[in-house]
Amino acid sequence: QSALTQPASVSGSPGQSITISCTGTSSDVGGYNYVSWYQQHPGKAPKLMIYDVSNRPSGVSNRFSGSKSGNTASLTISGLQAEDEADYYCSSYTSSNVVFGGGTKLTVL
Amino acid sequence: QLQLQESGPGLVKPSETLSLTCTVSGGSISSSSYYWGWIRQPPGKGLEWIGSIYYSGSTYYNPSLKSRVTISVDTSKNQFSLKLSSVTAADTAVYYCARQGWQWLVLGWFDPWGQGTLVTVSS
Repeated sequence: QSALTQPASVSGSPGQSITISCTGTSSDVGGYNYVSWYQQHPGKAPKLMIYDVSNRPSGVSNRFSGSKSGNTASLTISGLQAEDEADYYCSSYTSSNVVFGGGTKLTVL
Repeated sequence: QLQLQESGPGLVKPSETLSLTCTVSGGSISSSSYYWGWIRQPPGKGLEWIGSIYYSGSTYYNPSLKSRVTISVDTSKNQFSLKLSSVTAADTAVYYCARQGWQWLVLGWFDPWGQGTLVTVSS
């Protein structure tokens, strides 16, 4: 199985909105509504931000939203804040397996 | 509040077997609603799913690691374990355990995660 494709980096200014893409195939992202997104700050464990494409766990800010179109899932962060600077990873189910994206480093300018 | 904690040797010699245990507290590992997974992250790199186990012992493994991985569960101790054989320097990573959602035989999200433990493969 191949890793899902994410941009290596994205950036934005405080208050702006950014979107991180996660591209797979019809065998993973496009075939199932089981895409999740994780935020990871340096030296910390990943934290679930979005599950099942667009659902937010309790306690996650509503500035975070998820969507999917075809084989590409997206994470949008609105009203960017300094604390959002982190690495973000997408994940999807595929044929009895789980595959992660390569990760995207978000820089808040 | 559910918590997971990884434990095991931080240094393993090449060709030997890496062994880690994840202890679950604040909830039962025997819940029918969840699988329990292992994920690793080499220094400076991305996340890689290793495998997952149900309380009954049913397992799923990453095909690229399947020949070297064994995941087991001990419901009496509320623990699950990872064994990775014939390790090389490429297996040096932070190893995380996590609870995994599932439905209709489909593996889903990971939450929460343990804090992670660094395992270095070196002689």
